[in-house]
Amino acid sequence: DTEVTQTPKHLVMGMTNKKSLKCEQHMGHRAMYWYKQKAKKPPELMFVYSYEKLSINESVPSRFSPECPNSSLLNLHLHALQPEDSALYLCASSLLGLAGGLYEQYFGPGTRLTVT
Amino acid sequence: SQQGEEDPQALSIQEGENATMNCSYKTSINNLQWYRQNSGRGLVHLILIRSNEREKHSGRLRVTLDTSKKSSSLLITASRAADTASYFCATRGGSGGSNYKLTFGKGTLLTVNP
Repeated sequence: DTEVTQTPKHLVMGMTNKKSLKCEQHMGHRAMYWYKQKAKKPPELMFVYSYEKLSINESVPSRFSPECPNSSLLNLHLHALQPEDSALYLCASSLLGLAGGLYEQYFGPGTRLTVT
Repeated sequence: SQQGEEDPQALSIQEGENATMNCSYKTSINNLQWYRQNSGRGLVHLILIRSNEREKHSGRLRVTLDTSKKSSSLLITASRAADTASYFCATRGGSGGSNYKLTFGKGTLLTVNP
């Protein structure tokens, strides 16, 4: 199974709502990632988890809260978002090696988030 | 800051023609990767080339890497309408925590006309 799944596919939320994005993989990958992508732009890294621990936070506002409950699941909790947070949110996973970072990333289809 | 810069930003060709996209980067790398993204979808990994490799092939794809010029190119031969997508190069850092960070270039939007 070489698939990364993301739910929901689309999400519309108000600025006072709390919602969560979910990501799941069963490839045994111990690195998982959240990216944000605006239209016609490349993906921008938000968070990296390695061995279920947060290893990189790219200075993301605290209204985005990641969680990695186990090696297969990755969540992104959303609270008090702004309209400019509307974007495609992509989850990815990869192997981790002794040298780190030599492996390709597998991406999910993304969640299209609209903040109203 | 973004590591890779693709050139051209957009490319439109006829089916059957070859498409070449270029990527330049700024700092040392241990590998460079190319990804494809169909409109509004997730990214698909195409090919990875290590810093000690100069050329790599995968099906209709050919990737070159010139570390002295800090540049890479992706050639798609005999293009098909289904190749229409955005193509991104991505690089990883050298060591430590930066190894887990993949930084994408701005991308090339390829349109293959039937």
